[in-house]
Amino acid sequence: DIQMTQSPSTLSASAGDRVTITCRASQSVSDWLAWYQQKPGKAPKLLIYKASTLESGVPSRFSGSGSGTEFTLTISSLQPDDFATYYCQQYDTNYTFGQGTKLEIK
Amino acid sequence: EVQLVESGGALVKPGGSLRLSCVASGFNFSNAWMNWVRQAPGKGLEWVARIKGKIDGGTTDYAAPVKGRFAIFKDESKKSLFLQMNSLETEDTALYYCTLDGGRMVDAPNDYWGQGTLVTVSS
Repeated sequence: DIQMTQSPSTLSASAGDRVTITCRASQSVSDWLAWYQQKPGKAPKLLIYKASTLESGVPSRFSGSGSGTEFTLTISSLQPDDFATYYCQQYDTNYTFGQGTKLEIK
Repeated sequence: EVQLVESGGALVKPGGSLRLSCVASGFNFSNAWMNWVRQAPGKGLEWVARIKGKIDGGTTDYAAPVKGRFAIFKDESKKSLFLQMNSLETEDTALYYCTLDGGRMVDAPNDYWGQGTLVTVSS
């Protein structure tokens, strides 16, 4: 099974900051990589798929990059609404989620 | 408008069985790839099972922890997705989400989610 490792597990930042979350796959997943945002008590929301394609309606301050085994999610200028937990997911071979990154207010 | 509405969650004893349902609307149910994804209390997301669309063979795949115990299937006449869960373990306690792949764009996974249904396995 493909394992996904996210870092960091927790990230403290302030509004306006630029932040980056990293996701590593245990083997190549090409660009079959998605990112989700989840807020407490809510279902996850798809942000990015195919490593870098922004889902419709997602603000352009979110961006994704990478291929193979290394991927990043970048938020260019944090807004108050962005404080949430983020998950990566490979969908090259079945599906595997990363363990999550909690983005909290510094 | 795509809608996914789960039901069937309950408190069940270890070793017991439960069937979850997800009523779907607003898309081509027969050819849809759909999943069950779970989240244990305070924990991360875990993919459970997937069924491919009829046009792709309708085949199923399972995560290792549930293989042989859970079964995902569709009833097209009811436009419903099911998860039959047998030999339940305490580690199966979670909120179970029904999801749709490619609801908006063909290469997008899990772009629609239901609200979840809670399964608690405890003696």
